[in-house]
Amino acid sequence: DIQMTQSPSSLSASVGDRVTITCRASQGISNYLAWFQQTPGKAPKSLIYATSSLQSGVPSKFSGSGSGTDFTLTISSLQPEDFATYYCQQYNSYPYTFGQGTKLEIK
Amino acid sequence: QVQLVQSGAEVKKPGASVKVSCQAFGYTFTSHAIHWVRQAPGQRLEWMGWINAGTGNTKYSQKFQGRVNITRDTSASTAYMELSSLRSEDTAVYYCARGGPRGLDPWGQGTLVTVSS
Repeated sequence: DIQMTQSPSSLSASVGDRVTITCRASQGISNYLAWFQQTPGKAPKSLIYATSSLQSGVPSKFSGSGSGTDFTLTISSLQPEDFATYYCQQYNSYPYTFGQGTKLEIK
Repeated sequence: QVQLVQSGAEVKKPGASVKVSCQAFGYTFTSHAIHWVRQAPGQRLEWMGWINAGTGNTKYSQKFQGRVNITRDTSASTAYMELSSLRSEDTAVYYCARGGPRGLDPWGQGTLVTVSS
């Protein structure tokens, strides 16, 4: 199975900040990488698919990049509703696998 | 709008089976896949398998092979995930998600399955 490792596991930031979350795959996954946002008690929400394509309705403050094994999610101008847990997911090969999550907290 | 609505919470005893449903609204059910993902308390998301809602073909994670069965009823625009031989480690929230060229989107609201004697 492909292992997905996110860093950091937790992150403190202030409203208005820009943050970057990294996701590393244990082997190459081309661009088959997605990002999800999850708040407590809620289902994950898809933000980005195919490394850098934004889902409909997702603001452009979210951006993704990378290829092969190393990927990033950048969130600019943090707002209170952005403080959540973020997961990356590879869908290059079965079984699809997720990172352990990055909890973004308000400083 | 596109929406997936799941069945309600379940409490099961070890060794029993559970069947969770996922009803689709707002799109042509047979044109997309339905994936199942679970999340144990405090754990990462874990992919279980998927069904091509048009053909009925399935693919399962090796971890759940032999214990999971994903089916669909096209007349009801509903997919089902049945997990058997339940153990305490299967206590989790189970999600369905629509699969397609844009990845897993949207997701159902989740169904809590508690396995306890």
